[in-house]
Amino acid sequence: LAKTTQPISMDSYEGQEVNITCSHNNIATNDYITWYQQFPSQGPRFIIQGYKTKVTNEVASLFIPADRKSSTLSLPRVSLSDTAVYYCLVGDKKIGGGADGLTFGKGTHLIIQP
Amino acid sequence: DAEITQSPRHKITETGRQVTLACHQTWNHNNMFWYRQDLGHGLRLIHYSYGVQDTNKGEVSDGYSVSRSNTEDLPLTLESAASSQTSVYFCASSESTSPSTDTQYFGPGTRLTVL
Repeated sequence: LAKTTQPISMDSYEGQEVNITCSHNNIATNDYITWYQQFPSQGPRFIIQGYKTKVTNEVASLFIPADRKSSTLSLPRVSLSDTAVYYCLVGDKKIGGGADGLTFGKGTHLIIQP
Repeated sequence: DAEITQSPRHKITETGRQVTLACHQTWNHNNMFWYRQDLGHGLRLIHYSYGVQDTNKGEVSDGYSVSRSNTEDLPLTLESAASSQTSVYFCASSESTSPSTDTQYFGPGTRLTVL
């Protein structure tokens, strides 16, 4: 199984750039890396997905080194509303094909202060 | 607009009772998932389905069952509720046939308390 390791929590301030790193040493060749955001009392929400190098959308950037054993979610100029739990996921695959669904770790609690 | 809904949003039941949580999506997605979320454990996969009549066990499937009779619905049944099943339950759906690349859309959650 491609498990992930993230920091349990992080603190930052409004206007700063925040980088959250995720380790996934056993990532499979066909697996993508996906990040979700979850606010209290809500379901997780997709943020960004990538396979290698760099991906950027209107919300965040995702940096993936060549060995793909880690990835970094970058949130530019955070605000108080970015306080949430951020999950890094990689897909799990059964031997021989098919899939078992995604594995969510415990996530990173990001707290943004004024 | 397409959406995914869960009902009820809150439920209190007693140990030993059968409970069914509903999940309904209007995206016409083939894939549907049930997760539970507990403090200290993040989200854990209970059951999932890749289409009508297809169901699969996830990481924590003991004590739960699902059935998929149509594309839109995946009800989750607790056969005999236990206090250990007190949790927040999330349903999700996705379109892609490869969970490695798909985006999962989550419902608002059901908070279940088993007394």
